Amino acid sequence: AQSVTQLDSQVPVFEEAPVELRCNYSSSVSVYLFWYVQYPNQGLQLLLKYLSGSTLVKGINGFEAEFNKSQTSFHLRKPSVHISDTAEYFCATAYSGAGSYQLTFGKGTKLSVIP
Amino acid sequence: DSGVTQTPKHLITATGQRVTLRCSPRSGDLSVYWYQQSLDQGLQFLIQYYNGEERAKGNILERFSAQQFPDLHSELNLSSLELGDSALYFCASSARGGLNTGELFFGEGSRLTVL
Repeated sequence: AQSVTQLDSQVPVFEEAPVELRCNYSSSVSVYLFWYVQYPNQGLQLLLKYLSGSTLVKGINGFEAEFNKSQTSFHLRKPSVHISDTAEYFCATAYSGAGSYQLTFGKGTKLSVIP
Repeated sequence: DSGVTQTPKHLITATGQRVTLRCSPRSGDLSVYWYQQSLDQGLQFLIQYYNGEERAKGNILERFSAQQFPDLHSELNLSSLELGDSALYFCASSARGGLNTGELFFGEGSRLTVL
């Protein structure tokens, strides 16, 4: 079964500092990886995705992630965070087959940006 | 705004009762997914429908059922409610049943509180 592990449940960081949110995956089949963000009292929104191709993926709001097959990781990074980045971030992997497709999410990482 | 509409936004009910949560997918999306988000379990996939047919099942209890109607809206029925069913229930939609672009569009969720 495919799964993802988010290594940190909470990450505090000062405004304008860089941040890395860690995600490791386990999969025996083709890997599709995603990062979603959930702002307070809202649904989830796609930040970026890796389906194939370049291992460095750029997303919205200045975030990027790198797919590392040897380390089975898909860490999310931003060089300089803003107060508005305070949210919960979810790493996810997709299962696709026989016309079905669903996402399996990690437990989430709460990013708190400190002024 | 993701284009996915969920009602009601909040619902408070008693143990043993039955509730129905409603979801309207984005215009043109054929696939609907239901997820449960709780503090202890995180985001759990419940069930997927594609163009009116059940496509995949996840960790959905037998007390829960869902359907997708000809106009593509979906309902999640929760019966014999228990305290542990208190959670945020998300609906998401995508264009097709398979991986496609890999993106799910989430509604803002229905928060269920069972007292």
